[in-house]
Amino acid sequence: EVQLVESGGGLIQPGGSLRLSCAASGFTVSSNYMSWVRQAPGKGLEWVSVIYSGGSTYYADSVKGRFTISRDNSKNTLYLQMNSLRAEDTAVYYCARLAHSSSWFLDYWGQGTLVTVSS
Amino acid sequence: DIVMTQSPDSLAVSLGERATINCKSSQSVLYSSNNKNYLAWYQQKPGQPPKLLIYWASTRESGVPDRFSGSGSGTDFTLTISSLQAEDVAVYYCQHLETFGQGTKVEIK
Repeated sequence: EVQLVESGGGLIQPGGSLRLSCAASGFTVSSNYMSWVRQAPGKGLEWVSVIYSGGSTYYADSVKGRFTISRDNSKNTLYLQMNSLRAEDTAVYYCARLAHSSSWFLDYWGQGTLVTVSS
Repeated sequence: DIVMTQSPDSLAVSLGERATINCKSSQSVLYSSNNKNYLAWYQQKPGQPPKLLIYWASTRESGVPDRFSGSGSGTDFTLTISSLQAEDVAVYYCQHLETFGQGTKVEIK
């Protein structure tokens, strides 16, 4: 059974850093395209970042230069390192698997982890 | 950048009636290389992550009830719930690559 479990969220002050983790089971992270999508409270979905199976990474303009997506193949885990956090980064962060590499259809999602950026 | 615009923002439908949600893209999402529309629909219930319903604009994901159907091509797409059930109350999103529509909230009238 495919499962994605996020962790690492919490309350952080503006300018701070946080690393989110997404532990996968039932499939191999490194063989798939994986993504982070966030949702601000009461708002819609916003794509954040993607990592291809080959290792290429891409970011939304809103987080470029501040966030880094990566994976640990030995732990079958996806990460999102978030630096220089801002109030507008407050959101539930979901990790998700792309069903078909070039299509960006997201067939499995985690339950999400809440990041709150506030002083 | 492509913009995905859904309409309406919300709708209330009686149980057993049809619900129709529209999604319009600012550019065609039909790729001539494989003649496929890169368009998906998701359902998100309160407190839950989104769930993939439809991909390639009209292909139902495994396990999705057949009352959900997707149609359209190019720039105009529709998600139809043929007979609304109580468990269909949710927000529905269309998606093309990294861009999501703003969402449509479906409620019971």
